[in-house]
Amino acid sequence: KNQVEQSPQSLIILEGKNCTLQCNYTVSPFSNLRWYKQDTGRGPVSLTIMTFSENTKSNGRYTATLDADTKQSSLHITASQLSDSASYICVVTSGTYKYIFGTGTRLKVLA
Amino acid sequence: EAGVVQSPRYKIIEKKQPVAFWCNPISGHNTLYWYLQNLGQGPELLIRYENEEAVDDSQLPKDRFSAERLKGVDSTLKIQPAELGDSAVYLCASSLKTGYWQENTGELFFGEGSRLTVL
Repeated sequence: KNQVEQSPQSLIILEGKNCTLQCNYTVSPFSNLRWYKQDTGRGPVSLTIMTFSENTKSNGRYTATLDADTKQSSLHITASQLSDSASYICVVTSGTYKYIFGTGTRLKVLA
Repeated sequence: EAGVVQSPRYKIIEKKQPVAFWCNPISGHNTLYWYLQNLGQGPELLIRYENEEAVDDSQLPKDRFSAERLKGVDSTLKIQPAELGDSAVYLCASSLKTGYWQENTGELFFGEGSRLTVL
């Protein structure tokens, strides 16, 4: 069964600190993996996309990694800001346009 | 360029009443999705359209839910009658499916969602 699991479920950090969110997947066939950010009351917005051949990709203070052998991905947030408070959802695309969503990690950044 | 537009943003109804949600996808996007999202959970697919054809509606509870996408652009999702358990956020998303599949295609663009509360 295709599954995407994320950890931790929730996380509280102080502004300026770094954090890492984890995503483990069992999806076949694998096409790509995306991290989405979802602000409260808003729709998800794509942060990064990782294809099978990519190991690391950065988008500003966000850095995503992918280990296709262990089927793990991480999203590292550097120097967190209050505006980073949101849910972060890992989404794996299987085949053509079949999306498997994780349940998300809810991040709260405190001043 | 306008994003995916959904309405209404919020809807409160009593159980057994009907409700409808509307979605206007990004111009030119041929694939449209309706997702249901419960609090603290990831989105769950209800139905996927390619142009005006519903190509995956296996997760749509057809006894009370219906959807249409006339002319392959706007879409409407209807619930009749609504039940207490239908309280959730209904997300619409669109993407562009081309004839050539590349690994880095298929980004979903989501609307703001329609939050339904059934009393």
